[in-house]
Amino acid sequence: GAVVSQHPSRVICKSGTSVKIECRSLDFQATTMFWYRQFPKQSLMLMATSNEGSKATYEQGVEKDKFLINHASLTLSTLTVASAHPEDSSFYICSARTGGRGEQYFGPGTRLTVT
Amino acid sequence: QKEVEQDPGPLSVPEGAIVSLNCTYSNSAFQYFMWYRQYSRKGPELLMYTYSSGNKEDGRFTAQVDKSSKYISLFIRDSQPSDSATYLCAMSAEGYALNFGKGTSLLVTP
Repeated sequence: GAVVSQHPSRVICKSGTSVKIECRSLDFQATTMFWYRQFPKQSLMLMATSNEGSKATYEQGVEKDKFLINHASLTLSTLTVASAHPEDSSFYICSARTGGRGEQYFGPGTRLTVT
Repeated sequence: QKEVEQDPGPLSVPEGAIVSLNCTYSNSAFQYFMWYRQYSRKGPELLMYTYSSGNKEDGRFTAQVDKSSKYISLFIRDSQPSDSATYLCAMSAEGYALNFGKGTSLLVTP
């Protein structure tokens, strides 16, 4: 099956610093990538959708100036959490899709802890 | 009403049992249906993908989609302790983002 990687898998940072998370599709070209966050024992919450070479589309309530998304190529998308605060601590997961058929493959997730 | 409804469980079954997981939905435009398995602190893993109505089988897993009833199911035969996880149903219309159920927590006891 298709493989999506994320890096880093875990990051601990101090409040006020910025954190970058990378998401890569390893064996397919992802026309669309998605970023989710997940709190303990809750389902996935879609943050934004990005298409290669275009600006990301953010879900209602997600601050675009805080969660900066770049989809520079068909295999790489990055999420930068700007000036992170403790309330940004969460599990961030990316996924990738080819075309509009619906099959989405998820990365292993990045656990962010802001102290 | 949420677009996708899924009983969160928890569901506990003995090893070897047949497990039935279900979701209902309200948007008739959905035509892509997926089941994901998520272990604690891991990303979701795609188990089954179905386009439109019908059945699909893969090993111990069978996915069913009934678009007329807006109802999808995942059956797990000969369940194993390693199947213990949260199972998420997900669905979408052409070109749109996935809509997820809340997930059903499954525990298979030896």
